[in-house]
Amino acid sequence: GAGVSQSPSNKVTEKGKDVELRCDPISGHTALYWYRQRLGQGLEFLIYFQGNSAPDKSGLPSDRFSAERTGESVSTLTIQRTQQEDSAVYLCASSPRDRGMGYTFGSGTRLTVV
Amino acid sequence: EDQVTQSPEALRLQEGESSSLNCSYTVSGLRGLFWYRQDPGKGPEFLFTLYSAGEEKEKERLKATLTKKESFLHITAPKPEDSATYLCAVHPLGGSGNTGKLIFGQGTTLQVKP
Repeated sequence: GAGVSQSPSNKVTEKGKDVELRCDPISGHTALYWYRQRLGQGLEFLIYFQGNSAPDKSGLPSDRFSAERTGESVSTLTIQRTQQEDSAVYLCASSPRDRGMGYTFGSGTRLTVV
Repeated sequence: EDQVTQSPEALRLQEGESSSLNCSYTVSGLRGLFWYRQDPGKGPEFLFTLYSAGEEKEKERLKATLTKKESFLHITAPKPEDSATYLCAVHPLGGSGNTGKLIFGQGTTLQVKP
């Protein structure tokens, strides 16, 4: 597609439920990133995928968070047993190998845990 | 610890009133510094990448500059449509592997009044 597509755009879930967020990157972009943006705060790195290399999971805040990517296409971020502090906008970005052109972000998924 | 600090947190300008946004950073080494624009409800939009001290880049009313410790985003004769949150991010050297992790500042929210 022309841009990075994320779904759903909004998700309201009850505390303790599992949620799955989807990201469809720009075709041909080998790198894919997940960031979290809490209200009024900067972007917080979660995880990075580059081709077939092992992902950099150093930003995942707990073992309730996991992410997968199939080849160089779609990625899913899963949050198990959601907590209220998980409420945030989850942003996905992709880039070609040359990151000098900057990442292209999706519009994000706004997650609200009630 | 790698860190990015942006100032001011918020800035109100009259249309045509030029000003600058500051991004101070502390990293062990810098691969690149990025500026993004973020409109409400949308993902960040890439503006510039700077790589070395003394480098400058321009786009319409925006000019980004870089020193060894900070970057400035200069806005000349702003218009109301320049109202947005401007994010600064650094891509540090070091770490294991070829991580694409960016470290973001908290952003400066700019409001330009007609």
